[in-house]
Amino acid sequence: SYVLIQPPSVSVAPGQTARITCGGNNIGSKSVHWYQQKPGQAPVLVVYDDSDRPSGIPERFSGSNSGNTATLTITRVEAGDEADYYCQVWDSSSDHVVFGGGTKLTVL
Amino acid sequence: EVQLVESGGGLVQPGGSLRLSCAASGFTFSSYWMSWVRQAPGKGLEWVANIKQDGSEKYYVASVKGRFTISRDNAKNSLYLQMNSLRAEDTAVYYCARSVYYYSGMDVWGQGTTVTVSS
Repeated sequence: SYVLIQPPSVSVAPGQTARITCGGNNIGSKSVHWYQQKPGQAPVLVVYDDSDRPSGIPERFSGSNSGNTATLTITRVEAGDEADYYCQVWDSSSDHVVFGGGTKLTVL
Repeated sequence: EVQLVESGGGLVQPGGSLRLSCAASGFTFSSYWMSWVRQAPGKGLEWVANIKQDGSEKYYVASVKGRFTISRDNAKNSLYLQMNSLRAEDTAVYYCARSVYYYSGMDVWGQGTTVTVSS
């Protein structure tokens, strides 16, 4: 089955740029979606189809996808961005939705 | 307001059954794929199952296939998850979520309902 690999944690100082990666075999050929989840809350879609943003999501959130790695980039990081982030794809070979293991973003 | 509200969670013994419901409002329910996603305590998100707009296609994660059944009633704007032969490892918060296509991002999520499988 298809596997998505995320780093368990990423730390960044306020005002800096955070980059969260999501690795998968030829993930560049798939549409990648990213979710933010804060403690005790439901996930929120922050980037879909590799690089599009739902309405209401700040422009500070962006995504890219190529080769074997997709990346969620958060510029001018704020304390309120501290959360778990998950990447997700649809695996057509198994007809499954697949989530990455999640990355905890810590704002120092 | 676009909203999904889950219900039906609770404490159940191993081997028992539970039926989760998800009530949709504020949007045309019959136009969306619907999914169940769960999260075990302290763990990441795990997709459980999804269902096409008209119910004609359903997909399941291997660990629940044959035990769980996803269904929907578009007339009642409701999604269901029938869970049988429950195991301790099914303990989780269960979320329902919508997407335009099976491969799309899930743009609306419910608040979740907690299922605990324990004797």
